[in-house]
Amino acid sequence: DAKTTQPNSMESNEEEPVHLPCNHSTISGTDYIHWYRQLPSQGPEYVIHGLTSNVNNRMASLAIAEDRKSSTLILHRATLRDAAVYYCILRDDRGSTLGRLYFGRGTQLTVWP
Amino acid sequence: NAGVTQTPKFQVLKTGQSMTLQCAQDMNHEYMSWYRQDPGMGLRLIHYSVGAGITDQGEVPNGYNVSRSTTEDFPLRLLSAAPSQTSVYFCASSYSGGGLGGQGYTFGSGTRLTVV
Repeated sequence: DAKTTQPNSMESNEEEPVHLPCNHSTISGTDYIHWYRQLPSQGPEYVIHGLTSNVNNRMASLAIAEDRKSSTLILHRATLRDAAVYYCILRDDRGSTLGRLYFGRGTQLTVWP
Repeated sequence: NAGVTQTPKFQVLKTGQSMTLQCAQDMNHEYMSWYRQDPGMGLRLIHYSVGAGITDQGEVPNGYNVSRSTTEDFPLRLLSAAPSQTSVYFCASSYSGGGLGGQGYTFGSGTRLTVV
């Protein structure tokens, strides 16, 4: 039950901005939107998360739609080291799904020099 | 600050053997979990724990046992290894204070297990 929909793959040129979309039309009021990325042969790495408002950190920005049914991860200037699989995940702290992360297949980002 | 440490990094088992995958974190995280990742797929939750002495099943718990006697450690036991358990295993942890939803996970670097 991945709960989110992402494109299978996206491409970008180095030093250009990248906008990675995610649809989560069944999101509930207690679901946080998390983004992780996984480089080849490594464990997933936390990127950013948010609930309702847009968020910025040193790695990326997260833009959340007003109805929260979609979000976009923004990498302001892609580098070759940003080539990875990016996962958009909903995380909640309710009952039987306490704290679980549901991973889909994510978006494979290719960055060209 | 080592984060989440998983050992071993690689392991080959024969069908029917048992073994324990170790996971330790030094961040005083209450929440810990085990995932497996098969080729071309996302991660699937095996077991998780919200604190010492408390564990619960995830999506794919069959063939695996866990225990949580301390905050730091969360070992995963394969009772009788099968080829279907060939996978990469990741341990992850997070704070749970203030609600789990707003807390990011820290993942280990993984254990690559092959069952022949």
